[in-house]
Amino acid sequence: DQQVKQNSPSLSVQEGRISILNCDYTNSMFDYFLWYKKYPAEGPTFLISISSIKDKNEDGRFTVFLNKSAKHLSLHIVPSQPGDSAVYFCAARTEYGNKLVFGAGTILRVKS
Amino acid sequence: DTGVSQNPRHKITKRGQNVTFRCDPISEHNRLYWYRQTLGQGPEFLTYFQNEAQLEKSRLLSDRFSAERPKGSFSTLEIQRTEQGDSAMYLCASSLFGKRPTGELFFGEGSRLTVL
Repeated sequence: DQQVKQNSPSLSVQEGRISILNCDYTNSMFDYFLWYKKYPAEGPTFLISISSIKDKNEDGRFTVFLNKSAKHLSLHIVPSQPGDSAVYFCAARTEYGNKLVFGAGTILRVKS
Repeated sequence: DTGVSQNPRHKITKRGQNVTFRCDPISEHNRLYWYRQTLGQGPEFLTYFQNEAQLEKSRLLSDRFSAERPKGSFSTLEIQRTEQGDSAMYLCASSLFGKRPTGELFFGEGSRLTVL
């Protein structure tokens, strides 16, 4: 069963505009949510996280929003840059903090 | 500070052969994870160690798969009698449990397995 879902396989955005990547989850016991970025032939790298007790976390151009009632989170990138083109994975930490569960990823392409 | 290192980066083998992957985690990290990623999917959890103890195994980890972490340092993942369905990217990650509340994992670049 897919506990973390990213329903948009790909997203194309113009340079300088906002990119919004979405993620839905089913397990209300997840306590942290993370976003990872992955370039081809590299491992995923951590981008930003949010605790389940918060509704927003911001780091530079990246902001993550959490809506617990809807079991939905989103990553906003403003302004988008061509170097942001990558696959973005949403991940959630299981209760007891033992492991991360990942979504299928969204391919972001930022056009210059 | 060197990151997580995985070897080999790419392995091509024939069906039925055994393969072994090695992972060297970030040196002070006490937790080590193995994930598998196939095309169009996110990383799927296989197993994890805390120091030398293997604490959890996914049901994805059939009895042809075995992982070890002797002495709590590097880890190996062996796949016996490989099948074409084993073709995937095998990712290793490490973390220092208790240090970072987010549960952030640091990933290696992966070992890509192709079974012919």
